[in-house]
Amino acid sequence: AQSVAQPEDQVNVAEGNPLTVKCTYSVSGNPYLFWYVQYPNRGLQFLLKYITGDNLVKGSYGFEAEFNKSQTSFHLKKPSALVSDSALYFCAVRDNSNYQLIWGAGTKLIIKP
Amino acid sequence: EPEVTQTPSHQVTQMGQEVILRCVPISNHLYFYWYRQILGQKVEFLVSFYNNEISEKSEIFDDQFSVERPDGSNFTLKIRSTKLEDSAMYFCANRAGQGPDTQYFGPGTRLTVL
Repeated sequence: AQSVAQPEDQVNVAEGNPLTVKCTYSVSGNPYLFWYVQYPNRGLQFLLKYITGDNLVKGSYGFEAEFNKSQTSFHLKKPSALVSDSALYFCAVRDNSNYQLIWGAGTKLIIKP
Repeated sequence: EPEVTQTPSHQVTQMGQEVILRCVPISNHLYFYWYRQILGQKVEFLVSFYNNEISEKSEIFDDQFSVERPDGSNFTLKIRSTKLEDSAMYFCANRAGQGPDTQYFGPGTRLTVL
């Protein structure tokens, strides 16, 4: 069965430090992977996606993600965290049979000043 | 970034009442989706819609739910007789075409069933 796992419910990082939000996936066929961010009382905003090509994908707000096929991971990263990055982050993989997105449970990112 | 809009932002209803959640998709985006997110839980797929018919639906999307594009532009989700457990955020999403195109999400409608 296709699935996405975000092993951390919450990640705490000091402002200015690098951050990583973890995601692993299980999918049949080629993985199409996405990161979305949800700010309080807001909808889901697209951050970045991996389709093919370079394993390091750059997205909005200075975020990037690294696709690792052998580890079936797609971790979200940012070199220097901002307090405004505090939000809920969701990893998703596309179901290749019907194009729907399969979601991780989300990781709450808290950036402390 | 393309924008999907949803109305209302918050809907409060009594159990057993019908609700209609509305979505204005991105122009020329052909694929439509509804997802829901119960408070504190993960996002769940409800239904996908293309070419004026349902492409796929989850087990959540039972006979109480229906979708349509009544005027060829707006995309609606109707819950015929709401239950307490229908309380959630409902997100509309839109995708341009085939392949791994990005799904763009609306801001959501918070449905509260009393």
